[in-house]
Amino acid sequence: LAKTTQPISMDSYEGQEVNITCSHNNIATNDYITWYQQFPSQGPRFIIQGYKTKVTNEVASLFIPADRKSSTLSLPRVSLSDTAVYYCLVGPSYNTDKLIFGTGTRLQVFP
Amino acid sequence: NAGVTQTPKFRVLKTGQSMTLLCAQDMNHEYMYWYRQDPGMGLRLIHYSVGEGTTAKGEVPDGYNVSRLKKQNFLLGLESAAPSQTSVYFCASQNLDRTYEQYFGPGTRLTVT
Repeated sequence: LAKTTQPISMDSYEGQEVNITCSHNNIATNDYITWYQQFPSQGPRFIIQGYKTKVTNEVASLFIPADRKSSTLSLPRVSLSDTAVYYCLVGPSYNTDKLIFGTGTRLQVFP
Repeated sequence: NAGVTQTPKFRVLKTGQSMTLLCAQDMNHEYMYWYRQDPGMGLRLIHYSVGEGTTAKGEVPDGYNVSRLKKQNFLLGLESAAPSQTSVYFCASQNLDRTYEQYFGPGTRLTVT
């Protein structure tokens, strides 16, 4: 299983772009990279998923270099409501029981 | 659609008591999961189900049992609660058409004294 490493915490200010990098050196060929967001006292919420290059949706962008050993979640112009814990997960699509949530990155956005 | 709902939202048990947590989803998803989250930690998978009538163990299954008698419901049972099972329990469901996009319920906060 691909182990992931991400910063424990990050601080930002409203309006700034935030980039959270996740390291997954032993990612396998069949593995996808998925990011979830969790607010206090709520269940995680799916943000974005990718396999390679760049994926963008209405919430975030996910950048994956050619070697796929890391990935970067980019949140444009964060607001106070983006304060949450962000989890990076790596795993094969066919083994959903192997989905492992680490401790995530706690993002604090200040006014 | 209500999505994923969990019952109850809060519960306090004494050591040795039993209880069942109910998870229901109205999205016709095949896969369902039970996780626990301890303070300051990530989620850990307890049990999961890939379809009606099937269940499997996750990372931390000891002390828990599950059943999936109906596709829309996934029950988590604690036969003899222990203080170590004090946690927040999350249920999730997943559509086979969407890789790894799981939909989570609001959680059940369980305290065992």
